Order: sequence, then structure tokens, then C-alpha cells
Amino acid sequence: SQQGEEDPQALSIQEGENATMNCSYKTSINNLQWYRQNSGRGLVHLILIRSNEREKHSGRLRVTLDTSKKSSSLLITASRAADTASYFCATSEYGNKLVFGAGTILRVKS
Amino acid sequence: DTAVSQTPKYLVTQMGNDKSIKCEQNLGHDTMYWYKQDSKKFLKIMFSYNNKELIINETVPNRFSPKSPDKAHLNLHINSLELGDSAVYFCASSQAFIQADTQYFGPGTRLTVL
Repeated sequence: SQQGEEDPQALSIQEGENATMNCSYKTSINNLQWYRQNSGRGLVHLILIRSNEREKHSGRLRVTLDTSKKSSSLLITASRAADTASYFCATSEYGNKLVFGAGTILRVKS
Repeated sequence: DTAVSQTPKYLVTQMGNDKSIKCEQNLGHDTMYWYKQDSKKFLKIMFSYNNKELIINETVPNRFSPKSPDKAHLNLHINSLELGDSAVYFCASSQAFIQADTQYFGPGTRLTVL
């Protein structure tokens, strides 16, 4: 079963704008990860946030985690055309068994 | 150097046939995974092996049989293919299973069953 649900399903923005994607999940988790998938390619890991962390940064990416609301958000600042991809959150209750959300399709127009 | 590779990239076959997909990782990881991504982009874990030992076996028809000859390889054999098996299959690996860690994905194998 799908654990996470991403919102919005699709997002279209202009280059230079910020993009925010949200993920909600149902059970208690050990950690949450975000992955990117370019069209026709495999997934690429972006960032991992543990259940005892509230915020994490990596370059232009900022991830927040609110375990009381069972939700996470991914913010991409100053977006570029190359950021066009699908973005997935994945949760883990134990070990490295990941359950993926449905994904958000991001389109950045130049 | 490709970290996680899969062959073939595309596989088109008739219903009822048997086919295999191969996966190799050169990262020295202990854990490997097979995922299925359907036409709506839902990605679901099928199997995981840790050091050649099966550790995750989700509710997958027993027509699917993974085989790990060594920890760098995890192959997927599918018997009696059905239309519903059409999907993209991804192999992935991670350093270990016991702790949450980055998973490295292969490029995927697009299976089309006619």
C-alpha cells in the first residue's frame, strides 16, 4: 500500500521561482527520504531526514519534517529548467525498507 | 562507471513467456532491492536481499523469483508473464539494510507484455 501522498500531483513554475512539494504519511516512521526521477531514468536520492530532526538543508533543497502532523515538505529554491522531474517521498518504519508516495511532477519553464 | 546497471533496458515479450532481468552493482553494497513502477508511477518494493539472503518478500506472485548469486548481483526471473506484469522494474542497492541509508537505483527495465 502507498504510505505517502504527495501534494500537489503536478506543479508548473517559472525558472527562478521556488517550488514546494508536500508529503503526508500514515504510520510512525524512522526516517523520510526524498528522491528525484527524471523522465525515463532511475531515482536519485536527494536528502534523508530522521524522525528526530525537524529541518535539513542541502544546496538549494530544504526539507522539513513534522512528525506530529505526519507530514514533510521539500522546498527547491531558485528553480532551474533542469529541476524538471518527478519528486517522491519515501518513508521507512524500520531499516531500509522504503514505502514511496505517488510523486509530484514538477515542470520548470524557462 | 555505472554504479547500478540493469539489462536489458527494454523487454517486449508475449504473454506466457519466461524472462529474466539482470542487475549488478559495483558499489560494494550489501543490500539489493527490486522495485516495480506501474503506469501511474507508483513505486513498490518487491524483494530485498542482504548479503545473498532474502530479507524482504512482499506480496508478489510466486511467478517472480529473485536470485542473488553473490552480493553484487540480483536477478529477477518471471515465469508465465501476464499483461499486468507490464511495468518498469528498478533494481537498487544500499550499503546495508539495518539502518536507513541512500538507495542507489539502476536505470530501469521497461517490460511490455503483449
